[in-house]
Amino acid sequence: GENVEQHPSTLSVQEGDSAVIKCTYSDSASNYFPWYKQELGKGPQLIIDIRSNVGEKKDQRIAVTLNKTAKHFSLHITETQPEDSAVYFCAASFTGTASKLTFGTGTRLQVTL
Amino acid sequence: NAGVTQTPKFQVLKTGQSMTLQCAQDMNHEYMSWYRQDPGMGLRLIHYSVGAGITDQGEVPNGYNVSRSTTEDFPLRLLSAAPSQTSVYFCASSYMGGEAFFGQGTRLTVV
Repeated sequence: GENVEQHPSTLSVQEGDSAVIKCTYSDSASNYFPWYKQELGKGPQLIIDIRSNVGEKKDQRIAVTLNKTAKHFSLHITETQPEDSAVYFCAASFTGTASKLTFGTGTRLQVTL
Repeated sequence: NAGVTQTPKFQVLKTGQSMTLQCAQDMNHEYMSWYRQDPGMGLRLIHYSVGAGITDQGEVPNGYNVSRSTTEDFPLRLLSAAPSQTSVYFCASSYMGGEAFFGQGTRLTVV
């Protein structure tokens, strides 16, 4: 089955700096790659996703890049703010849908003032 | 619009007891899934459903049963709880081509 590795497990940045989280996946058939933000005591919430026919997607301060050849994808957050502090998860699916996701182990992002 | 509602939010069980975790969604989504979240392991898929009457196993199905008699509800049953099932459980729903919406989770402790 699919295996998703995520790095780093913790990341501390100063407010205004950029943060990058990287994931690799094992199944070349995977075609849907969402990123989730989870705040304490809450369920994961989608922040951005990308499909295998696209190399990059951007939404304001957040961007995701996908390299299908290397089987890795990355989350980029620019101009970080304290409210960006949370745990971030990458995921992959070979079904093209969000019904059957394999998750990475998470990155705890801390944005300091 | 409530989204995905999970009940209860917290539960303590004794080893060997049974219980059902409830999940309901009001978005008319075809797909529903159950995940468990353990420290350092991310979320792992237990069971999922692509429509009423259709369920399938995920990565960690042992010890759990599901059924889907309606589009809205997808309960998760623990027939004989074990300490290894202590975890936070999340239900999610989505439609084809759409994002997954997660509930707030159920924190289960088995003693």
